[in-house]
Parts: sequence; C-alpha cells; structure tokens
Amino acid sequence: TQLLEQSPQFLSIQEGENLTVYCNSSSVFSSLQWYRQEPGEGPVLLVTVVTGGEVKKLKRLTFQFGDARKDSSLHITAAQPGDTGLYLCAGGLNDMRFGAGTRLTVKP
Amino acid sequence: EAQVTQNPRYLITVTGKKLTVTCSQNMNHEYMSWYRQDPGLGLRQIYYSMNVEVTDKGDVPEGYKVSRKEKRNFPLILESPSPNQTSLYFCASSFTGELFFGEGSRLTVL
Repeated sequence: TQLLEQSPQFLSIQEGENLTVYCNSSSVFSSLQWYRQEPGEGPVLLVTVVTGGEVKKLKRLTFQFGDARKDSSLHITAAQPGDTGLYLCAGGLNDMRFGAGTRLTVKP
Repeated sequence: EAQVTQNPRYLITVTGKKLTVTCSQNMNHEYMSWYRQDPGLGLRQIYYSMNVEVTDKGDVPEGYKVSRKEKRNFPLILESPSPNQTSLYFCASSFTGELFFGEGSRLTVL
C-alpha cells in the first residue's frame, strides 16, 4: 500500500505570509497530484507533477516533485484569505490514494 | 457544463435500511470511483471502475457494493448500513488522470 503523509495537518497564518506544505511517501510515484478542497465542495485539481525534480508554478503557488519521486511540496507566496482550504496530495493510477490533507487558514 | 452529479446530497437513515447513492457524469469518462472522507483520514477509495461492467475494490470496500451498467452512472449501494459508514462520500470520474469530483453526499447512519 502506497501511503502519502502530509504535514502539517493544520496551518493558520496571517495574510501576506509565505508557507510550505509537504507530501511524503516511502514509495515511488509515477506522478503526484495536488488538489484543493473548499467546504461543501469536492476537491479540485491544482497541478500534476510527473518528472523527478520538476517545478511547476501556478500564480503564487509553486509545486515541486522530489528527485526520487517520493515526495512533493507546495509553497504559497504572500498567502491571501482566498487560499484558505484543504490541500490534498494524491498519487497512484487506478487506485488513486490521497494524503489526509493540510487544512490552511489565512487570516485577513 | 461538465459535471459529476451525486444524489442525495444529505441523508439521515437508520441501521440496516438499504440505500443507494447515485452518481452520474456527463463527460463520457471511462473511469469512475467512489471515496469516503473522514476527519484525519483523508479520502479513502471504496471502489473504482475502469469501464462498463468492470469494477475493482479500493482500500475500504467492506459494506459497499457498486455496479457499472452504463458508462455515465456508477451507483454506490449500502445493503445494510451501519453507524461506522457515517461519512462524507465523493464520486469522481476521470479520462486523463485528473479526477473530477461531485459535490459530495453526507450520510448519517443512526
């Protein structure tokens, strides 16, 4: 079973601060995905990283896939209240598995 | 509009009363999947289907059944619900690996 561990579990910061959340596994993944989930809604895909060492940017969000393809990180620059939500990493193929998530709160 | 539709969105039922949560997608996706989401445990896969008449167990299939008679529909059946199946359920579909999720069905079993 490929397990994904996310840290921290909870994160509360002020608007304008930077933050990094992590997704780690002892298994190698062919790709990892990051989703964001807002209350009352299903998760929505933010990005898929495929190549070891890959860095992808989505506005103020920077995603990195570890060289060994066992871990990934999400860095948010100058967080805004609109970034508040549950961030989930996921990996696998047909049996897509999710981490438990990082619940981010950005206070105005 | 491309979407995954689940019904009901909210349901309170009693132990042992059979229920079905429907899931329908309009994107012609071959892959569909069911997840349950519990605090601190994240999303756990219940069943998935690669195509019509092809289904496989996920990590937590006990107490659930599924069927895939048509490409667009993937109902989740709880034959005899128990309180430990109280959870938030999500259906998802995919074509290229990106999962498209429904809005969720919150089920409470008393």
